[in-house]
Parts: sequence; C-alpha cells; structure tokens
Amino acid sequence: EDQVTQSPEALRLQEGESSSLNCSYTVSGLRGLFWYRQDPGKGPEFLFTLYSAGEEKEKERLKATLTKKESFLHITAPKPEDSATYLCAVQAAGTYKYIFGTGTRLKVLA
Amino acid sequence: DAGVIQSPRHEVTEMGQEVTLRCKPISGHNSLFWYRQTMMRGLELLIYFNNNVPIDDSGMPEDRFSAKMPNASFSTLKIQPSEPRDSAVYFCASSTRTGLGLGSSNQPQHFGDGTRLSIL
Repeated sequence: EDQVTQSPEALRLQEGESSSLNCSYTVSGLRGLFWYRQDPGKGPEFLFTLYSAGEEKEKERLKATLTKKESFLHITAPKPEDSATYLCAVQAAGTYKYIFGTGTRLKVLA
Repeated sequence: DAGVIQSPRHEVTEMGQEVTLRCKPISGHNSLFWYRQTMMRGLELLIYFNNNVPIDDSGMPEDRFSAKMPNASFSTLKIQPSEPRDSAVYFCASSTRTGLGLGSSNQPQHFGDGTRLSIL
C-alpha cells in the first residue's frame, strides 16, 4: 500500500538554526513527490515537485532533495515567517491521486 | 491570477441540515479534487473530476455525500443530511492534466483556502 510518513511531527527552532524535515514514502513507482506549506486557516501552498532520485530544488531558504525512499526539506537560517505546517505528498505512476503525509508543524522563534 | 476560490469560508449548521460547499477552480485547469482535512486523518481525497466528469468517487464516505461539476468553472460538494462527524475543513484543488492513461501527467495541484464546516 502506498504510504507517506513525515517526521518529526513538530519542530521548534531558534531563528537562524538550520534543520531538516523528513518525508519517507513507499509507492509502487514514483511519478512525483510534492512539498506544500500550509499556514493556519489557509489551504496548502505548492512549493516543489521532485521526480527522480538525486533531484534537488531550491527556493529562498528552502531546499528539497529526493532519494529512492525519502525526501528532505532543508531549511537554512529560518526566520519566524517560515513557521507553518509542511506537507509532503506522493503520486504513484499511472495514477492521479496524491497520498499526503500528516505534516510537520514548524515553529521558528525570534 | 485568481487562485481556487471556495465558499463559504465557514459554515455552522445543525445536524440533519443540508450543506453545500462551492468551488471555482483556476481558469484553464481541467482536473478538480475535493479533499477533507482532519487532525486525525490529515488530507483525504473525496472525489476527482477530469474535464467535468467524475473519475473516482471512492473516497466519498457515504451516500450522504454528493458532488457535481456542471461546467469547467464550478463544482459543488453537498452533504445531506449532515452529521457532527462531518465536521472538518473541506478543500478544493485544481490542476492541469495532459495526455491519457499511463502517459498522462499532472501539474501540481493548487488548493483553495477551504471551508471550515461545523455540524452541531
């Protein structure tokens, strides 16, 4: 069964303290892995798509990487405005469905 | 560009009442998804439309739930009768799907800001 597990469930960082969020997945052929950011009271906001192992994408302080079993979202020198829930989703080959993880709640303290 | 628009943003109603949630997808997108989000289960896909046609409604929890997409710019999710366990945030998302079958590809899904539904 296709599955996505995110860790940790929650993370508190001091401003400037870099860290990584993990997304482990099992899927029968990966079509794409997606990272989203969700702020309270808002819908998930698309960040990145990764398609194959070894691929990396960057946006401001965020960098997403992908292996055959997991993806990492690296946050470099975070700021309080990076506080949000970060969601990971996978799409299996031959399907349209996204399987979402339950997210990592990130809090960055000033 | 306008994103996915959902209404209402909040709905509070009593058990047994009919609830209708509305969604306007991004113009030009031909795929539309309805999700439900709860603390316990996260984001769950309820139904998927492609070119206004329901493709997969296996996530719809019960016959009390129904969804329609009468045209490319509007979709509704209806619950009748509503129950307290239906309380959740309901999201609509849209994307572009090109090609057919295994050769098809999806652009990322873009979400609306959801409807927070409370059934008393």
